[in-house]
Amino acid sequence: TQLLEQSPQFLSIQEGENLTVYCNSSSVFSSLQWYRQEPGEGPVLLVTVVTGGEVKKLKRLTFQFGDARKDSSLHITAAQPGDTGLYLCAGRMTTDSWGKLQFGAGTQVVVTP
Amino acid sequence: GAGVSQSPSNKVTEKGKDVELRCDPISGHTALYWYRQSLGQGLEFLIYFQGNSAPDKSGLPSDRFSAERTGGSVSTLTIQRTQQEDSAVYLCASSLGQGVIYEQYFGPGTRLTVT
Repeated sequence: TQLLEQSPQFLSIQEGENLTVYCNSSSVFSSLQWYRQEPGEGPVLLVTVVTGGEVKKLKRLTFQFGDARKDSSLHITAAQPGDTGLYLCAGRMTTDSWGKLQFGAGTQVVVTP
Repeated sequence: GAGVSQSPSNKVTEKGKDVELRCDPISGHTALYWYRQSLGQGLEFLIYFQGNSAPDKSGLPSDRFSAERTGGSVSTLTIQRTQQEDSAVYLCASSLGQGVIYEQYFGPGTRLTVT
């Protein structure tokens, strides 16, 4: 059983469309991170959110941390083929002593030209 | 190189054999982490090193798995008497310290296939 549930598991869209990926939990997290992973590579950190209700924007990507710090979303505007990849959310629980990252199962995003 | 490196990139082994996976962290990074990623799944934490000691090895799935780190640098993950369910990509990451302000940098992983 994973602490962080991501949805959808798979998303295929056309270039120019918008998409949203969700990351939900019944647990409270002190911080939450989003990563993108491409085939044959390790995950690369996109953003860290630490405050409930926080919204961060990174070019066409918008990240939101829920008010209760139990959920997060990633929204991509006008998706491009370069956005293709496995998107992973990962959180640090408030009860963890050294800040271990708990990962969701990931959302595979495919953007076709 | 400047990044985390792992070797081998691919390893095929027969059930019952032992394997060693190596991780070279970024120079100066005191924290090192091992994760396992099964097909289509997220990352499963295995073990965390701070320097040469492992404050958290709670993710190691069985006593067939062990890891060590020497000189505060290179780490080796050893799997004894491999089983088919050990097949996965093993990822290593390092960070300058531990905690939310320190980004974990991941290596490309070792894909282990047990036949």
